Amino acid sequence: EAGVVQSPRYKIIEKKQPVAFWCNPISGHNTLYWYLQNLGQGPELLIRYENEEAVDDSQLPKDRFSAERLKGVDSTLKIQPAELGDSAVYLCASSLENNEQFFGPGTRLTVL
Amino acid sequence: AQRVTQPEKLLSVFKGAPVELKCNYSYSGSPELFWYVQYSRQRLQLLLRHISRESIKGFTADLNKGETSFHLKKPFAQEEDSAMYYCALSRSYNTDKLIFGTGTRLQVFP
Repeated sequence: EAGVVQSPRYKIIEKKQPVAFWCNPISGHNTLYWYLQNLGQGPELLIRYENEEAVDDSQLPKDRFSAERLKGVDSTLKIQPAELGDSAVYLCASSLENNEQFFGPGTRLTVL
Repeated sequence: AQRVTQPEKLLSVFKGAPVELKCNYSYSGSPELFWYVQYSRQRLQLLLRHISRESIKGFTADLNKGETSFHLKKPFAQEEDSAMYYCALSRSYNTDKLIFGTGTRLQVFP
């Protein structure tokens, strides 16, 4: 079992450019989470999916961030356009109904 | 609003010394509390959760609702315990977001 898979692991872009992150959760996990982790902070939820439905996106900055989980399996998180303050680690996690969340390795984004 | 506080950014101990990583929370309901650990160059992983009441790698944590605390303890630290530790809260025993503290780095010296 590979666990939660994320790609890319690292991304460097210039401000105002678009960027996308991909996540494949553990097989059978209906719930998928995207977290943002700033330097020196704990992860903070951006969006949570139950199957293909976004059930908590209250912390997602919808003017520039979007996410999708079309078939209820893998998911994509997009930023367009990126800003300097978006530099952070983007974590994906998945869980069963017991809320034991398994995390991916994260994508480290640097915006220049 | 729900919040998790980890007052120590860094905790340094010698091998064999007792360890206590502090975690306090604020939530008016009945929370589910977790400790997650991140070893160097590894992903964040669950260490233990309050509901399971297990001891993992010699670590234990007791939920004290009166003091709203969930401190992580180990009687004898090992060098391999050196890592980043995050306390987290969930408002539900079912699927819900985790609210994390800012983390405590534990350094265990030989």
